[in-house]
Amino acid sequence: AQSVSQHNHHVILSEAASLELGCNYSYGGTVNLFWYVQYPGQHLQLLLKYFSGDPLVKGIKGFEAEFIKSKFSFNLRKPSVQWSDTAEYFCAVIRGGGADGLTFGKGTHLIIQP
Amino acid sequence: DVKVTQSSRYLVKRTGEKVFLECVQDMDHENMFWYRQDPGLGLRLIYFSYDVKMKEKGDIPEGYSVSREKKERFSLILESASTNQTSMYLCASSKGRNLNQPQHFGDGTRLSIL
Repeated sequence: AQSVSQHNHHVILSEAASLELGCNYSYGGTVNLFWYVQYPGQHLQLLLKYFSGDPLVKGIKGFEAEFIKSKFSFNLRKPSVQWSDTAEYFCAVIRGGGADGLTFGKGTHLIIQP
Repeated sequence: DVKVTQSSRYLVKRTGEKVFLECVQDMDHENMFWYRQDPGLGLRLIYFSYDVKMKEKGDIPEGYSVSREKKERFSLILESASTNQTSMYLCASSKGRNLNQPQHFGDGTRLSIL
């Protein structure tokens, strides 16, 4: 079975700091990769996705992620965070055919201090 | 915009009760999913459905069943509720015959079993 590891469960940063959240997955074949975000009191929203092509993908609100196949990684980055980025972030992976459904990481709780 | 509606935001039930959680989506999506979200464990897939009357077990189906009698509605059933089923339950839907498309989530139902 595939698994998804998010390295940090809790991250605290100051405004304007740079952000990188790690995500590694275990499946070696074709994968589709996602980052979802859950702001306090809101439903999960898609931040960005990678299906194929350019391994550097850009999402909403200035976020980007880089797919490095050799490292089985899909790290999320933002050059300068804002207080409003405080949220829980989930990495998710699905195998190419999707037969097993989406597998989520355990989430990273990001707190941005003003 | 896709709307996934879960019937209750908060629900309190007693041990041994049969519990129904309802989910409706308004975008004619083929696929629907039920997850539970627990602190430190992320989202775990309970069941999913890729068509009316079709269902597939996810990672943690024990103690749950589902029903998809109509395309827009996907119900999660706790046959005999237990305290370890206290959790946040999330419904999601996605479009197409391939399960690897981005999923759209509802607001969640916070279920407490006393």
